[in-house]
Amino acid sequence: EVQLLESGGGLVQPGGSLRLSCAASGFTFTSYAMSWVRQAPGKGLEWVSVISGSGDTTKYADSVKGRFTISRDNSKNTLYLQMNSLRVEDTAVYYCAKDHYSSAWAYAFDIWGQGTMVTVSS
Amino acid sequence: EIVLTQSPATLSLSPGERATLSCRASQSVSSYLAWYQQKPGQAPRLLIYDASNRATGIPARFSGSGSGTDFTLTISSLEPEDFAVYYCQQRNYWPRTFGQGTKVEIK
Repeated sequence: EVQLLESGGGLVQPGGSLRLSCAASGFTFTSYAMSWVRQAPGKGLEWVSVISGSGDTTKYADSVKGRFTISRDNSKNTLYLQMNSLRVEDTAVYYCAKDHYSSAWAYAFDIWGQGTMVTVSS
Repeated sequence: EIVLTQSPATLSLSPGERATLSCRASQSVSSYLAWYQQKPGQAPRLLIYDASNRATGIPARFSGSGSGTDFTLTISSLEPEDFAVYYCQQRNYWPRTFGQGTKVEIK
């Protein structure tokens, strides 16, 4: 079964850091770009970042550029999101999502994790 | 940034009725548009990709159409499990963007 399982969310103070993880199973992890998508409480979806299957290319939304870093460990089938200098407005459920096509680039997201909640508050 | 505007914000319909949801892009995204369904407390589910292609396992009552700036998601006959929020998403430009969502609620 194709599955994504996020972890690492929690409560952090403004200016703090957090690292999210997403463990993948049931598909050839290296063949697919992976993204992070977030959803603030009661709001819509916001794409955050994508990383290529090999891990050598990344892109970010302007709202997180310079503060968040996406990475992956293909030997462990795991995706990461390092979040630094967190702001109140980063409060959201963070989903990892698999690209629908192999060798695609955040085209459409066919598999999603269950999400992990990040709360930034003093 | 491409802005996707979904209408209406809320659609109140009864089971068995036809639902027509609209997504308009601020500039042409060709046919590079996807649709997702999200139920409360759940992750989104991919319904349609590249404007008109149903994703694996999606019932035939869901269909997508359009190109350029105007897109439509149609649910031919609403089932009880279809009442949810629907989002469109474009992949023609960076950053990838989503619409603000249309809630389909039971009338």
